[in-house]
Amino acid sequence: GAVVSQHPSRVICKSGTSVKIECRSLDFQATTMFWYRQFPKQSLMLMATSNEGSKATYEQGVEKDKFLINHASLTLSTLTVTSAHPEDSSFYICSAPRPPGGTDTQYFGPGTRLTVL
Amino acid sequence: EDQVTQSPEALRLQEGESSSLNCSYTVSGLRGLFWYRQDPGKGPEFLFTLYSAGEEKEKERLKATLTKKESFLHITAPKPEDSATYLCAVQAKGSSNTGKLIFGQGTTLQVKP
Repeated sequence: GAVVSQHPSRVICKSGTSVKIECRSLDFQATTMFWYRQFPKQSLMLMATSNEGSKATYEQGVEKDKFLINHASLTLSTLTVTSAHPEDSSFYICSAPRPPGGTDTQYFGPGTRLTVL
Repeated sequence: EDQVTQSPEALRLQEGESSSLNCSYTVSGLRGLFWYRQDPGKGPEFLFTLYSAGEEKEKERLKATLTKKESFLHITAPKPEDSATYLCAVQAKGSSNTGKLIFGQGTTLQVKP
């Protein structure tokens, strides 16, 4: 069964609004989670690493003030797209290593389709 | 720079026609190589992890192998339900972000009945 969940699965919002996406590890604790973005017919691009109890680490070119990440607990990380614009429309996917760290396998959530009108 | 290249970009097979997908990688010390399957509109589903050259893993009709420069995903007698995009990813040693994966562009497989 699924080990990582995401909510919502789909969201449509107006330009200028903010959208929050949740990522939960279901039966294990994750001190680190990862957020990816995927455009149509392209591969996954890592946006940031979410760290429980500390600041997220962002990849080069990703605006940290636009994509706010909060790792509030050992099972929950949230990504907030602030002041969303049509170019932010994409498929957002989170992942978590189980168990945490090292070369342990990363399990992915089902993804969230964001459409900004 | 760490890099992953997958080929072919797309592959069409007849049901039962075996083939292989390639994943070439350049990394400053391999920590692990991962294969995932992704169906349209869904998150990647884990298939295999390979850690060292010579290692092989199998699951049903799929078999993954690893050398120092590349990995192959062999598909034996594929069925239409094997149609999906197959993603290869590597994790480098000494990464400042533990667990960070670098993905290839994927191979989209279509198996016709």
